Amino acid sequence: GQQVMQIPQYQHVQEGEDFTTYCNSSTTLSNIQWYKQRPGGHPVFLIQLVKSGEVKKQKRLTFQFGEAKKNSSLHITATQTTDVGTYFCAGRRGGSNYKLTFGKGTLLTVNP
Amino acid sequence: EPEVTQTPSHQVTQMGQEVILRCVPISNHLYFYWYRQILGQKVEFLVSFYNNEISEKSEIFDDQFSVERPDGSNFTLKIRSTKLEDSAMYFCASIRRDRALDTQYFGPGTRLTVL
Repeated sequence: GQQVMQIPQYQHVQEGEDFTTYCNSSTTLSNIQWYKQRPGGHPVFLIQLVKSGEVKKQKRLTFQFGEAKKNSSLHITATQTTDVGTYFCAGRRGGSNYKLTFGKGTLLTVNP
Repeated sequence: EPEVTQTPSHQVTQMGQEVILRCVPISNHLYFYWYRQILGQKVEFLVSFYNNEISEKSEIFDDQFSVERPDGSNFTLKIRSTKLEDSAMYFCASIRRDRALDTQYFGPGTRLTVL
């Protein structure tokens, strides 16, 4: 079945440093979504990427979707303590009833 | 902004007991999902539901699990005979399905603890 790998599993940074998490799918995706989950919370939708090579920005967050639509990345510039949480990518194949296959997530901690 | 709601927020049950987890999806949404997340692990797909029937289910969703949309509002997940390994957060999600717009909105989750 479809697998979505995500690295690193953990990342600890000093406030102000950059952070990147990478996501790789075993199959070509229709789209990929990114979610943030705060400790004890539920996944909160951040963004969806649909087009090959797409790049989207949300303030300090930059999301990329690979040309082959099999990989994606999330980059945070100048992290803040409010960025703490687990970032999940979730991929969807075409015709799969919109089921999302989640990566294992990257837990980001930020030292003030 | 409309939200997916779930009740209860926390359910404690004895092994072998039946539990029903409830969800109220966003009102104009058409596809409904259950996911689970064992503590510290990734979110795992359980089942999708559309047009009053299961459209896809994972290998986790065995005969002990069932879903229902009894009244056009609630969407329930039943576990007939709970096992210790069923302890997890269970998230309900819904989607409107508006062309390419398929953002899944997650509910706050129900923490199930099986003793």
